[in-house]
Amino acid sequence: GIQVEQSPPDLILQEGANSTLRCNFSDSVNNLQWFHQNPWGQLINLFYIPSGTKQNGRLSATTVATERYSLLYISSSQTTDSGVYFCAVRKGNSGYSTLTFGKGTMLLVSP
Amino acid sequence: DTGVSQDPRHKITKRGQNVTFRCDPISEHNRLYWYRQTLGQGPEFLTYFQNEAQLEKSRLLSDRFSAERPKGSFSTLEIQRTEQGDSAMYLCASSAGHNYGYTFGSGTRLTVV
Repeated sequence: GIQVEQSPPDLILQEGANSTLRCNFSDSVNNLQWFHQNPWGQLINLFYIPSGTKQNGRLSATTVATERYSLLYISSSQTTDSGVYFCAVRKGNSGYSTLTFGKGTMLLVSP
Repeated sequence: DTGVSQDPRHKITKRGQNVTFRCDPISEHNRLYWYRQTLGQGPEFLTYFQNEAQLEKSRLLSDRFSAERPKGSFSTLEIQRTEQGDSAMYLCASSAGHNYGYTFGSGTRLTVV
């Protein structure tokens, strides 16, 4: 199956700092999503971004499909950004329909 | 639309008992997915429905697990003869299609004692 690697595994920031999270994947994809899992376990969809760049407030994401990676940028971080960020992909042109998740990046933003 | 709902939020059961979880997807979404998540790991795929048809099952879904989606609306996931290794968060998601974003429910946390 497709491999998804996220880095760094853990990240500690002071409030107001910027950060970049990376997702590498081992094959072509036709679906890539970034999720935030809050401390209560709720997974929130941040971006559907199989290619290109999107922005939503302080968050933005870029996927370079030809080079098999995606980046999630968090600017001016806030304590509420704490949690685990997951990248999930679906292999392109496959009969397998589901998303495969990486192991996540755990982010802690301190006041 | 209130999003994806899962019930119950928490379930504690004794080993060997059967449990059933329910998921109500977003009404316009015809695709429904079940995932399992253990501590420190990303969600792992269990099974997928398109309308009422169960189209894919993971090797993680042993014969003690069964899922249904009657009439293509809500879905249930049943675990028979629970084992301690079944303790996990069970997550349900729905989407409008393969190449759309997934919306997850809040999950059901199962503890087998």
